[in-house]
Amino acid sequence: HVQLQQSGPGLVKPSQTLSLTCAISGDSVSNNNAAWHWIRQSPSRGLEWLGRTYYRSEWKDDYAVSVKSRISISPDTSKNQFSLQLNSVTPEDTAVYYCARTSYYDSGTYAINYWGQGALVTVSS
Amino acid sequence: QSVLTQPPSVSGAPGQRVTISCTGGSSNIGAGFDVHWFRQLPGTAPKLLIYGNNNRPSGVPDRFSGSKSGTSASLAITGLQVEDEADYYCQTYDVSLSAYVFGSGTKVTVL
Repeated sequence: HVQLQQSGPGLVKPSQTLSLTCAISGDSVSNNNAAWHWIRQSPSRGLEWLGRTYYRSEWKDDYAVSVKSRISISPDTSKNQFSLQLNSVTPEDTAVYYCARTSYYDSGTYAINYWGQGALVTVSS
Repeated sequence: QSVLTQPPSVSGAPGQRVTISCTGGSSNIGAGFDVHWFRQLPGTAPKLLIYGNNNRPSGVPDRFSGSKSGTSASLAITGLQVEDEADYYCQTYDVSLSAYVFGSGTKVTVL
């Protein structure tokens, strides 16, 4: 049974860096059939995919255009976790942040099948 | 605004059938990407309800079914129950945005 446990500060000042970590149990961050995502949710923007990291013989990542210039998602194989860094935050980055996993189904699709518990991050001075 | 459009709310009496539409475009649903559906209860993370357009994960009752046609998809709930009250989201991939995209969400109310 896969579990994703998020951690990180709930309050970040404007212009600073938002950092969250997602610890994985029941799976490996290096799983060749999985990908590890960060998704956020706010009343104004709904559910918004931020990016992912995944291993396919080498580490790869993809990011949403809206945050591409200031985001980094990176794996930590020694701790079996992955992290989110979002730079130069503004109050518009206030949201509930989720880590999540996609994995492959026999029907031939990848779907988000596990989510972290979610964490409200408020950007305010 | 969301790339995928859903009705803000749908409602029905217990035992009735309701459907939730998810309208996309030629760069996402119409491009052949699979649609997935999630249910979210207040204060909790979304939970996978339907994957790959019409497949149910283990443990999801067969009262829930999905379909896809053209640039749209639908989620049907038959035999509506009080515990089905929640927010429902569709999700797929958009090749123009190179991003996973979500619907705007639909609140299901049981009358």
